[in-house]
Amino acid sequence: EADIYQTPRYLVIGTGKKITLECSQTMGHDKMYWYQQDPGMELHLIHYSYGVNSTEKGDLSSESTVSRIRTEHFPLTLESARPSHTSQYLCASGRDRGDEKLFFGSGTQLSVL
Amino acid sequence: GEDVEQSLFLSVREGDSSVINCTYTDSSSTYLYWYKQEPGAGLQLLTYIFSNMDMKQDQRLTVLLNKKDKHLSLRIADTQTGDSAIYFCAEGAGSQGNLIFGKGTKLSVKP
Repeated sequence: EADIYQTPRYLVIGTGKKITLECSQTMGHDKMYWYQQDPGMELHLIHYSYGVNSTEKGDLSSESTVSRIRTEHFPLTLESARPSHTSQYLCASGRDRGDEKLFFGSGTQLSVL
Repeated sequence: GEDVEQSLFLSVREGDSSVINCTYTDSSSTYLYWYKQEPGAGLQLLTYIFSNMDMKQDQRLTVLLNKKDKHLSLRIADTQTGDSAIYFCAEGAGSQGNLIFGKGTKLSVKP
């Protein structure tokens, strides 16, 4: 059973607000990922990390930023939210580079008005 | 680059078998994966197959791998309404341990 948690579960905010989506895992996994999922179902990788102080941009350009100061924590921040940021955000983790299996959190559904 | 293709929709009747198909491009993938996403939830690892295997069976699930054609399929026997979900095929991408996901197949099960 994977132990990866995302908060909040749902978030409705106004344009221009700064928000942080939280993701934590208790499995000691090195790798962590953020995916954006559009209503058409496709997953887009926006950020990933292979360990503390390591962050990389994914395939989809995103105005968000991430940090990895602790192994278990990988928050995603939007400095100024816009309606185009409305989406489902999924966090995932994996043990290390030798293990491809990913475990996902339940997601944060973000709506920007 | 790597790419994973799936059909977007599949509709079956309860009790029938469902077959979800996937094609991939990276022949060096060690494993291939199937994930399931129920409404409003994250992805759950359903099953995976080692690339040297042709078939893997786990209760109602059967995974078939045709490595020559780079074709992967997931068969669900005796499909139930609780199987209604989006199913993602994924392959490993290179030495970094990342996954490339297909766009997902939405399975609808009619009573």
